[in-house]
Amino acid sequence: EVQVLESGGGLVQPGGSLRLSCGASGFTFSSYAMNWVRQAPGKGLEWVSTISGSGGSTYYADSVKGRFTISRDNSKHTMYLQMNSLRAEDTAVYYCARDGVVVAARPYYFEYWGQGTLVTVSS
Amino acid sequence: EIVLTQSPGTLSLSPGERATLSCRASQSVSSSYLAWYQQKPGQAPRLLIYGASSRATGIPDRFSGSGSGTDFTLTISGLEPEDFAVYYCQQYGSSPGTFGQGTKVEIK
Repeated sequence: EVQVLESGGGLVQPGGSLRLSCGASGFTFSSYAMNWVRQAPGKGLEWVSTISGSGGSTYYADSVKGRFTISRDNSKHTMYLQMNSLRAEDTAVYYCARDGVVVAARPYYFEYWGQGTLVTVSS
Repeated sequence: EIVLTQSPGTLSLSPGERATLSCRASQSVSSSYLAWYQQKPGQAPRLLIYGASSRATGIPDRFSGSGSGTDFTLTISGLEPEDFAVYYCQQYGSSPGTFGQGTKVEIK
């Protein structure tokens, strides 16, 4: 059974940093791109970032480019999102999602989702 | 960036009725790379449809997707109580991938 589980959310002050983690099981981790998608309170879904299966290709939404860094450790079946210079508008539930296409080097659709971790940016 | 506009914003229907949800793109979605997701309150989204018309694993056949180019439709042939939720479309043919704003299907 495919499972993905986020951790690391919490309350952080504007300008602060936070690192999210996403642990995965039930599939060949290195064969799939992994994604972060966020949802601000009461709002819709927003794609944030994608990393290819090898980790060699990364993609970012313009809203987070230069502030967030996505990475992965295939030996630990874990993906990360380092978030720096956080702003109030980054407040959201952050979902980890496995891509739907095997050996994809870019984001496609999101087949399996975690339950999300809440990031609140507030003073 | 491709903008997806979903309509209607809210659909009020009774169990057993047919639901038709629309997703219109600001420009053509290449290769019909369009997906649909269902989200219930407090839960993560669930993939329903990918490639405009392919059902994801475990999705009942009352859910169907159609369309191409700029116009796409999600149809639920007979609403079950568990189908009342918010539905999002997503295009992944062009970077960045984008979502529609959602359609809420509520009990009438």
